[in-house]
Amino acid sequence: DTAVSQTPKYLVTQMGNDKSIKCEQNLGHDTMYWYKQDSKKFLKIMFSYNNKELIINETVPNRFSPKSPDKAHLNLHINSLELGDSAVYFCASSSREYAMGGYTFGSGTRLTVV
Amino acid sequence: GDSVTQMEGPVTLSEEAFLTINCTYTATGYPSLFWYVQYPGEGLQLLLKATKADDKGSNKGFEATYRKETTSFHLEKGSVQVSDSAVYFCALSPYNFNKFYFGSGTKLNVKP
Repeated sequence: DTAVSQTPKYLVTQMGNDKSIKCEQNLGHDTMYWYKQDSKKFLKIMFSYNNKELIINETVPNRFSPKSPDKAHLNLHINSLELGDSAVYFCASSSREYAMGGYTFGSGTRLTVV
Repeated sequence: GDSVTQMEGPVTLSEEAFLTINCTYTATGYPSLFWYVQYPGEGLQLLLKATKADDKGSNKGFEATYRKETTSFHLEKGSVQVSDSAVYFCALSPYNFNKFYFGSGTKLNVKP
């Protein structure tokens, strides 16, 4: 069973469209994250939710809106997509109580805006 | 603020060569330190970790020792294989585990 699963794996869309990426974890973790990885492999945190509550919101355009319906799911909705949004987006989860165990990452969603 | 600096890549080695990827950190308090590996087309996987000074993390022949005096967590492997070709990320989690700080990644290419 996949521990952290993201869908879709690939997403190609035109500028100006609105799209969503979904993430689910079955590890019983209480904290979930979205990271953006650029073409140079640099990882930047975007959002973090703990038990459905937003705890980290880095400097991200407000076209990006996370939603956590429950602690096992964290979705990312992006409005009015721009070319610069092209990247790989990773979802991750951790347990706050056992956070020294590190994050568990999903396999990523490669977003290409054309 | 907290941060992680790791050596730039790519690093190209022949099979069975010795590997060192340097990582230094800046943090307040007592962070936990991690190495993650990203194989082509995949997500990041935890490779090893150390949660306090002088701890040594090890896995799959890789090792790293948490050195508080030099604020370092260098990754080493005695004999690399072609299958070790990947991008390696050093990461830090502050004492409150609020979020991770990742280094910029070091790409390792191992040639037969």
